[in-house]
Amino acid sequence: KQEVTQIPAALSVPEGENLVLNCSFTDSAIYNLQWFRQDPGKGLTSLLLIQSSQREQTSGRLNASLDKSSGRSTLYIAASQPGDSATYLCAVPYNQGGKLIFGQGTELSVKP
Amino acid sequence: NAGVTQTPKFRVLKTGQSMTLLCAQDMNHEYMYWYRQDPGMGLRLIHYSVGEGTTAKGEVPDGYNVSRLKKQNFLLGLESAAPSQTSVYFCASSYSGQGKSGPQHFGDGTRLSIL
Repeated sequence: KQEVTQIPAALSVPEGENLVLNCSFTDSAIYNLQWFRQDPGKGLTSLLLIQSSQREQTSGRLNASLDKSSGRSTLYIAASQPGDSATYLCAVPYNQGGKLIFGQGTELSVKP
Repeated sequence: NAGVTQTPKFRVLKTGQSMTLLCAQDMNHEYMYWYRQDPGMGLRLIHYSVGEGTTAKGEVPDGYNVSRLKKQNFLLGLESAAPSQTSVYFCASSYSGQGKSGPQHFGDGTRLSIL
């Protein structure tokens, strides 16, 4: 059974720092991995999706990497800003149908 | 540029009442999903649909029913609400192609309290 774990559960950093959020999964036979952002009281916003054949994806200050063999993905945020404060979730699909298994999330706080 | 729209946004029910949550997407996506989010449990899949007229059970389907009569709409029904169904409900959709699904797009959620 696929399990997704995110460490740490919470992270507080000063503005301007580069940071890394971690996601691990137990079954390496994944089709893709998706990173989301969730603001309090809001839905999830898709940040990046990495297909199983890819090693990384970049969008602005965000870079997500995928290492299937070790069952790990990282989300790198460069030059963090207070507006980056949110909960970040990673998820992998059950199968090609896209049903997602989510990690518990990392709550990020960026202090001015 | 609506994306995924959920109605209602908030609702309070009494135990035993029934209600339907509506999800609408305007992106012509084949796949649609209903999740619930609970503190300490994360997001869990309730039911999903891979196309108009099809539905399937997810991880926590008991107490819920769904229908996908139109491609753009996915309805989640609670026939007899129970306090354990107090949660935030999220609908999502994604496209499918070449045997793979694309990124999931989420609505803003429905906050449901069962008294």
